[in-house]
Amino acid sequence: EDQVTQSPEALRLQEGESSSLNCSYTVSGLRGLFWYRQDPGKGPEFLFTLYSAGEEKEKERLKATLTKKESFLHITAPKPEDSATYLCAVQTGANNLFFGTGTRLTVIP
Amino acid sequence: EPEVTQTPSHQVTQMGQEVILRCVPISNHLYFYWYRQILGQKVEFLVSFYNNEISEKSEIFDDQFSVERPDGSNFTLKIRSTKLEDSAMYFCASSGPLAGRYIQYFGAGTRLSVL
Repeated sequence: EDQVTQSPEALRLQEGESSSLNCSYTVSGLRGLFWYRQDPGKGPEFLFTLYSAGEEKEKERLKATLTKKESFLHITAPKPEDSATYLCAVQTGANNLFFGTGTRLTVIP
Repeated sequence: EPEVTQTPSHQVTQMGQEVILRCVPISNHLYFYWYRQILGQKVEFLVSFYNNEISEKSEIFDDQFSVERPDGSNFTLKIRSTKLEDSAMYFCASSGPLAGRYIQYFGAGTRLSVL
């Protein structure tokens, strides 16, 4: 059975304090791994997609990496506006996405 | 920037009533999806739709649910006889080819409250 586990569940950082979020997965045939950001009461907002081990993507203060078993979302020098829930999702043989439970990030000024 | 639009933003209904949630996907997209998120839980896949038919559905998507693309722009989710446990955020998503890849873009969601 496909599994996506995100850790930690919640993370509080001081502004400027860099850290990483983890997404570990067990799936039968990964077609793609996706990172989304979700603000309270809103829909998931696409950030990155990664397709093969070793791949990296960057956008502003965020960098996503992928290995054969996990993905990391690195946040460098975060700002309060980076506060959100970060969702990891995998796409396997079908088109649908299988989501993890997310990491709730709070950045304190 | 193109976006997925969902209406209404909040729907309140009585148990046993039928509801229709509406979505306007991004115009050149080919695949359409419904997901739901019960409060405090993860986003769960319900159904995908391509070429005017269901391409995949989850165990959640039972006979009380149906989807339709009544015209060239709208995509709807109907829940025939709502139950208390149907209360959730329902997200529509769409995807289309971009450099050979399909990225799913989500709408802001409809909050369904079943009383």
